[in-house]
Amino acid sequence: GESVGLHLPTLSVQEGDNSIINCAYSNSASDYFIWYKQESGKGPQFIIDIRSNMDKRQGQRVTVLLNKTVKHLSLQIAATQPGDSAVYFCAETPPGGYGNKLVFGAGTILRVKS
Amino acid sequence: DTAVSQTPKYLVTQMGNDKSIKCEQNLGHDTMYWYKQDSKKFLKIMFSYNNKELIINETVPNRFSPKSPDKAHLNLHINSLELGDSAVYFCASNSNNQPQHFGDGTRLSIL
Repeated sequence: GESVGLHLPTLSVQEGDNSIINCAYSNSASDYFIWYKQESGKGPQFIIDIRSNMDKRQGQRVTVLLNKTVKHLSLQIAATQPGDSAVYFCAETPPGGYGNKLVFGAGTILRVKS
Repeated sequence: DTAVSQTPKYLVTQMGNDKSIKCEQNLGHDTMYWYKQDSKKFLKIMFSYNNKELIINETVPNRFSPKSPDKAHLNLHINSLELGDSAVYFCASNSNNQPQHFGDGTRLSIL
């Protein structure tokens, strides 16, 4: 597939297990953070976002945790399914506005084994 | 379907040529973006337009010229294509600081 030859961090999990994807962001003044999922041949798809005045936000089967002390963001996926296999990107917005200039991280490949 | 749509999906051309990529969104958004994704999957913003006005212009060669005829369209024209321009180009849109919606990309290959 498209991930062959890519030197991105890879997380392999068994179907049904929980997944945790980590991201270190760069700007301590960033005020908005977002996770995207990118499947092969598709554009990034919004999963969940969080503003800097929160440290946790939950969606359907997903939770985002923000630790501003160590500039760390994580995405937790409960009961991982084969359809969750994709490349996951975190992104931050430097100060000055939400949701506009997104600075993306390098991406993590999630592989779900059936 | 409500979406961000880009054309063409694939573009193969020779070095030195001039080409355009088109983007349209029917989501009623007022801000549109162009991103470049390289072979290592790294995504970087290039330009952003809000209501037809350029608001973000990253360090991009001036061979790249975005044009926004109206707030639903943002096209990207590239002059004198070089090998390093080979990448996947994504268009995105949003409004009111909501999450950006992305198109499915245009894969540009320079021979």
